[in-house]
Amino acid sequence: KNQVEQSPQSLIILEGKNCTLQCNYTVSPFSNLRWYKQDTGRGPVSLTIMTFSENTKSNGRYTATLDADTKQSSLHITASQLSDSASYICVVSDRGSTLGRLYFGRGTQLTVWP
Amino acid sequence: EADIYQTPRYLVIGTGKKITLECSQTMGHDKMYWYQQDPGMELHLIHYSYGVNSTEKGDLSSESTVSRIRTEHFPLTLESARPSHTSQYLCASSAGTGLTGELFFGEGSRLTVL
Repeated sequence: KNQVEQSPQSLIILEGKNCTLQCNYTVSPFSNLRWYKQDTGRGPVSLTIMTFSENTKSNGRYTATLDADTKQSSLHITASQLSDSASYICVVSDRGSTLGRLYFGRGTQLTVWP
Repeated sequence: EADIYQTPRYLVIGTGKKITLECSQTMGHDKMYWYQQDPGMELHLIHYSYGVNSTEKGDLSSESTVSRIRTEHFPLTLESARPSHTSQYLCASSAGTGLTGELFFGEGSRLTVL
């Protein structure tokens, strides 16, 4: 069964600290993996996309990694800011059909305290 | 910022009422989607459309219906709302040939049925 599991479910950190969010998946055949950020009361916004051949990709203070062998991805946030408080959702795409489909994780709720 | 808009943002109605959630995008995307999101749970696809006059049911069974008469417009209708329909509804669109492209989300419509 294709699944996406995220950990931790929630996380509280102090402003300026770093943190790492995890995403494990069993989706096969794998196409790509995206991390989305969802602010409270807003729709999700894409942060980064990882394809099979990519190990790491940065977007400002966000760095995503992908280990396609172990089917794990992480999102590292450096020097956190209050505006980083949000839910971070891992979404994995398959290529098992002509059009493919998406599998969503339940998200990690990050709270950054001043 | 994504150019996709949802109205209303919040709606509180009584059981048995008919409601329509509006969604419009100005990006010219062929594909549009409706997702249902409950607290702490993953997004569930309830409807999608490949283009004008095309609609398909998603993974999650829903009593709602959709229409796609114009490329930019993808409304969702509930003929008779029930308390079990209380949820956050997110509209999204994407470009590309498959269903696994980057999703651009609206800000959501939070529906409460009393």
